[in-house]
Amino acid sequence: QVQLQQWGTGLLKPSETLSLTCAVYGGSFSSYYWSWIRQPPGKGLEWIGEINHSGYINYKPSLKSRVTMSVDTSKSQFSLQLSSVTAADTAVYYCARSKFSGRHCDYWGQGTLVTVFS
Amino acid sequence: DVVMTQSPDSLAVSLGGRATLNCKSNQSVLYSSNNKNYLAWYQQKPGQPPKLLIYWASTRQPGVPDRFSGSGSGTDFTLTITSLQAEDVAVYYCQQCHTVPCTFGQGTKLEIK
Repeated sequence: QVQLQQWGTGLLKPSETLSLTCAVYGGSFSSYYWSWIRQPPGKGLEWIGEINHSGYINYKPSLKSRVTMSVDTSKSQFSLQLSSVTAADTAVYYCARSKFSGRHCDYWGQGTLVTVFS
Repeated sequence: DVVMTQSPDSLAVSLGGRATLNCKSNQSVLYSSNNKNYLAWYQQKPGQPPKLLIYWASTRQPGVPDRFSGSGSGTDFTLTITSLQAEDVAVYYCQQCHTVPCTFGQGTKLEIK
């Protein structure tokens, strides 16, 4: 049974750096992309980017200057950092597993609400 | 970015009825090398992460009831839910990952009439 468990800072001030980590339990860590997706309160889903076990990365271009993704294969974990946050970055952040062929996300973390307030 | 447009924004269907949700992309999501459409459908209930229902436009994720079916190719896709159940009340999203960045539609909210 595959499980994704995520954690990180929930309250941030403007200009601070968001940091989230997702641990993968079960399944192969090297056979998938590992994605981050966010959802502002009451709104739709936004894809942030993906990383694989060897560090191959795709970022959403509009966020690329502020996003850093990394992977720790020894722990089956991957991480997201988003710098210089503003209120517009307030959202529930999800980690997810994506298939190589199709990139559809078949397993998701529970979500972490990140609130940016001044 | 590929723009995904879902219609309608909201839909009310009677219990036991049929729901038809549409998704349109502004460019083809058909991957020519394997002839697969990189189009997925998700169901999201309040307070929960999205759940994968359909991938490759028409392949049902294991464990998803066969009341859910997907169709379409290229730029136009449909999710059909037959024999609507109360537990199907949710927001449904389509997603393309043919072109990075992957993009989602704005969602269709499905309710019981």
